[in-house]
Amino acid sequence: QSALTQPASVSGSPGQTITISCTGISSDVGNYNLVSWYQQHPGKAPKFILYEGNKWPSGVSNRFSGSKSGNTASLTISGLQTEDEADYYCCSYAGNSTWMFGGGTKLTVL
Amino acid sequence: QVTLTESGPALVKPTQTLTLTCTFSGFSLSTSKMCVTWIRQPPGKALEWLALIDWDDDKSYNTSLKTRLTISKDTSKNQVVLTMSNMDPVDTGTYYCARTGAGRPWFDPWGQGTQVTVSS
Repeated sequence: QSALTQPASVSGSPGQTITISCTGISSDVGNYNLVSWYQQHPGKAPKFILYEGNKWPSGVSNRFSGSKSGNTASLTISGLQTEDEADYYCCSYAGNSTWMFGGGTKLTVL
Repeated sequence: QVTLTESGPALVKPTQTLTLTCTFSGFSLSTSKMCVTWIRQPPGKALEWLALIDWDDDKSYNTSLKTRLTISKDTSKNQVVLTMSNMDPVDTGTYYCARTGAGRPWFDPWGQGTQVTVSS
């Protein structure tokens, strides 16, 4: 199982909008509408922030949104805030009750 | 409130078998479709999904690690145990458990993680 492909890093200024891509193949991201996103601050456990395009856990800002096209899912963060600086991971169902994470993206808020 | 807590040895020697326990509260693994999963993270590296067990005792494993992993549950104790055999220094990292299933195809919440170092 190879990890889903994410950019190693992205950056943006406060107030800007950034997008993080998550590319898989037809047997995972492309075959299922089961992509979730996680935010991880240094030294902390990952935190679930988004499922597919529009399911947020309580307490998570709707500045986070998602989309998918073919084998690529994307996380968009609008109105960047300094507290958004963290690592972000996508995760997709990969069939046969297995799951796969992306390689992670470090977001820097300049 | 749902919580999960991982426990296990902080240090294991190469070739030894690691046994980790996830103790949870706020939900039952006997609830239909409920699942608990294990995920690990080497220092400075990405998350890696390891294994999952569901309410019906069905199990699934990371294909690359399948021969080394065993997941089990004790519903009465609200615990899920993961064993990983033949440990190697590359297995060093933080090991997390998380809840999933029951109509929630995502991992939430996560435990705080337990750090495991493999060294002689």
